[in-house]
Amino acid sequence: KQEVTQIPAALSVPEGENLVLNCSFTDSAIYNLQWFRQDPGKGLTSLLLIQSSQREQTSGRLNASLDKSSGRSTLYIAASQPGDSATYLCAGKAAGNKLTFGGGTRVLVKP
Amino acid sequence: GAVVSQHPSRVICKSGTSVKIECRSLDFQATTMFWYRQFPKQSLMLMATSNEGSKATYEQGVEKDKFLINHASLTLSTLTVTSAHPEDSSFYICSAPIRYAGVLQDTQYFGPGTRLTVL
Repeated sequence: KQEVTQIPAALSVPEGENLVLNCSFTDSAIYNLQWFRQDPGKGLTSLLLIQSSQREQTSGRLNASLDKSSGRSTLYIAASQPGDSATYLCAGKAAGNKLTFGGGTRVLVKP
Repeated sequence: GAVVSQHPSRVICKSGTSVKIECRSLDFQATTMFWYRQFPKQSLMLMATSNEGSKATYEQGVEKDKFLINHASLTLSTLTVTSAHPEDSSFYICSAPIRYAGVLQDTQYFGPGTRLTVL
């Protein structure tokens, strides 16, 4: 059974610092790994999707890497802004289109 | 991008009543939808897979008689929490992938969620 873990559970940084969010998964037989953003009381917004055959994906200030052999993915957010404050969730996709989510990392970017 | 809506966004009910939550795909047809539950400061847990025109598939530990799922059309799935109790209070979120050329695509579009509070 796939288990997804995110460390740290919470992170607070001053504006301008780079953010590094970690995600680990136990079953390397994933189809893809996705990163989502969730604002308080809201649904999820997809940020990046990395296919199992890829090593990384980039979108603007966001970069996500995937290392299947070690069961890890990392989300980098460059030059953080207060608007980046949210909870970030990673999820591994298995057969049947099912997503297994990590516990999330709550990020606070202080102005 | 594709849009998924949920209604209501927030509901408060008395213990023992039933509550229906709707999940709609607004600009695409969704033959498959997923229902998740999220407790405060916890992650999303998949409850069930809703399939248009057939029975839902429930995850282990989820009571199908308590969480009734109906997917009667290509744009609507409903989750009914029957005889709700305080421990059912949670944030319920649905999602739907787009099917293209008969294949479910990787990207899932999530609804904004429904906050259920059972008194």
